[in-house]
Amino acid sequence: GNSVTQMEGPVTLSEEAFLTINCTYTATGYPSLFWYVQYPGEGLQLLLKATKADDKGSNKGFEATYRKETTSFHLEKGSVQVSDSAVYFCALIDGGFKTIFGAGTRLFVKA
Amino acid sequence: EAQVTQNPRYLITVTGKKLTVTCSQNMNHEYMSWYRQDPGLGLRQIYYSMNVEVTDKGDVPEGYKVSRKEKRNFPLILESPSPNQTSLYFCASSLITQGEMNTEAFFGQGTRLTVV
Repeated sequence: GNSVTQMEGPVTLSEEAFLTINCTYTATGYPSLFWYVQYPGEGLQLLLKATKADDKGSNKGFEATYRKETTSFHLEKGSVQVSDSAVYFCALIDGGFKTIFGAGTRLFVKA
Repeated sequence: EAQVTQNPRYLITVTGKKLTVTCSQNMNHEYMSWYRQDPGLGLRQIYYSMNVEVTDKGDVPEGYKVSRKEKRNFPLILESPSPNQTSLYFCASSLITQGEMNTEAFFGQGTRLTVV
């Protein structure tokens, strides 16, 4: 079945460091891919998305590129801030009506 | 403001005492869903609904019920809660366009349920 695998956390970085959170997926078709972010005490909110191969989603300095050949959608940011501390979820919709989420990766950014 | 509203935010109850968590959205979305979030397991779907009077099981439906009598509301019902249903619950809604759902999900702020 379809699935999403994220790197385990927590990830701890110093402010202004480069961030990569790996995400790979298994899907039978051509899924739409998403990154959601969950700040403490809140629900998930969309960070960025890509709906076809080679698309790049971007928002708030975060980027992810839909790589069909490696079935990956890694999240990157060039310079993280303390305010980026949160849990990040990779997710896919496989053309049906179900969103499949990864387990989430907690990010801590130290000042 | 577009939003999904869940109530209550926090709930402590005893085993076997029926409870309902309400969810309401103001975006006229067709699709609504309930998830539970547990450490190390991410979000698991409990039930979903594609429109009024249309509901179906997700991955972990045991012990839960839902109803969709109005488009905006999608309550989650625990008829006889047990301690293994202690979790963080999220309601979400999405738009279905041209018969597909490839748009973002909008989430409520969550309900932290403790069953003792």
